[in-house]
Amino acid sequence: ETGVTQTPRHLVMGMTNKKSLKCEQHLGHNAMYWYKQSAKKPLELMFVYNFKEQTENNSVPSRFSPECPNSSHLFLHLHTLQPEDSALYLCASSQSTGMSALHFGNGTRLTVT
Amino acid sequence: RKEVEQDPGPFNVPEGATVAFNCTYSNSASQSFFWYRQDCRKEPKLLMSVYSSGNEDGRFTAQLNRASQYISLLIRDSKLSDSATYLCVVNPSSGDKLTFGTGTRLAVRP
Repeated sequence: ETGVTQTPRHLVMGMTNKKSLKCEQHLGHNAMYWYKQSAKKPLELMFVYNFKEQTENNSVPSRFSPECPNSSHLFLHLHTLQPEDSALYLCASSQSTGMSALHFGNGTRLTVT
Repeated sequence: RKEVEQDPGPFNVPEGATVAFNCTYSNSASQSFFWYRQDCRKEPKLLMSVYSSGNEDGRFTAQLNRASQYISLLIRDSKLSDSATYLCVVNPSSGDKLTFGTGTRLAVRP
């Protein structure tokens, strides 16, 4: 149903692992985002890409590395994560940045052991 | 003061009740406003944008009060299916960063 698809839905990884989250949007949007949602906290913006150029890095630790090869695909590469990085990671897209509403994927629930 | 602030609730109301949530924002230059709905363990979904003149979509009415820097969401004739967390979202400037509130939880009981 959603025009934004995220894989995997669930991921368990150790602190020494390297993994990647994938997001694809089929809405023809120009902007893509990564958000982090932890329990009892508001959604935290991590990265913004507009026309596949990164326009926002919200002081995210370097163990999170985004990649946007084109306007339809967005990756989040993970390495040497910490247990406190366990959260729901949501990808979103919008027609343009700022004024446009966001369309979210169904998220990847990440557990770091 | 938080950029976007909401009462976390929960609001427990019977079916058929009218319920209203407010959300305050700190930046008077904020330009766009939205209400999102998030069901348990699901992604947020856009409920409605909030326009300066106020807007209505069926049982839902959204209003913006720039002078007092808050937006509101009114739900009439609550249904069981309205049970969810309602997220207030504000663009505090003309840039990229939509800011989310922590959400207000609504539980509608039979």
